[in-house]
Amino acid sequence: KAGVTQTPRYLIKTRGQQVTLSCSPISGHRSVSWYQQTPGQGLQFLFEYFSETQRNKGNFPGRFSGRQFSNSRSEMNVSTLELGDSALYLCASSPGGRGETQYFGPGTRLLVL
Amino acid sequence: LAKTTQPISMDSYEGQEVNITCSHNNIATNDYITWYQQFPSQGPRFIIQGYKTKVTNEVASLFIPADRKSSTLSLPRVSLSDTAVYYCLVAPTNRDDKIIFGKGTRLHILP
Repeated sequence: KAGVTQTPRYLIKTRGQQVTLSCSPISGHRSVSWYQQTPGQGLQFLFEYFSETQRNKGNFPGRFSGRQFSNSRSEMNVSTLELGDSALYLCASSPGGRGETQYFGPGTRLLVL
Repeated sequence: LAKTTQPISMDSYEGQEVNITCSHNNIATNDYITWYQQFPSQGPRFIIQGYKTKVTNEVASLFIPADRKSSTLSLPRVSLSDTAVYYCLVAPTNRDDKIIFGKGTRLHILP
């Protein structure tokens, strides 16, 4: 089975722009979670989607949003980018039950200038 | 909401057994304990998961005492390539609970 894929792998944007990141989960997985990882804050949970519905949300501002499509692929969007949004954005998929093992993608490295 | 506490860093030598302990005092009855390994600029990789007692796979063992308030990841005969950050995660089964990763343990293997 192919693993979790994320596109793009690297991205450079400037302040005020918006960005959309994409995640394709492992085939058959219905849950997709997004995380932000920075050296200072570590791995922080953004949100989780299951069957096209947001099931849980972390403590991030409304500039961070996401969605999931019927094929379980997910996108996350960050609007009005700030310098502090520079981070590694990770996507993880799991079959769907809570507490199940999550399988992570390689991440998208976002640099905001 | 089960938060986890792990040592910030550990050093060991090639060929030794390494044990990393994680405390999770507020673990709920149905929560599982999962350990991940992460190399720089990569996503975390699943190592092992358990609920109680002992679980072993081809790369590690996980020891969980009866009260489940802690767990110990055991890496047998480590090599330089085991240098990484190791995260202990208590994955909530309650759908209202958020997934919280701790700071992880930075393991440095010396030759």
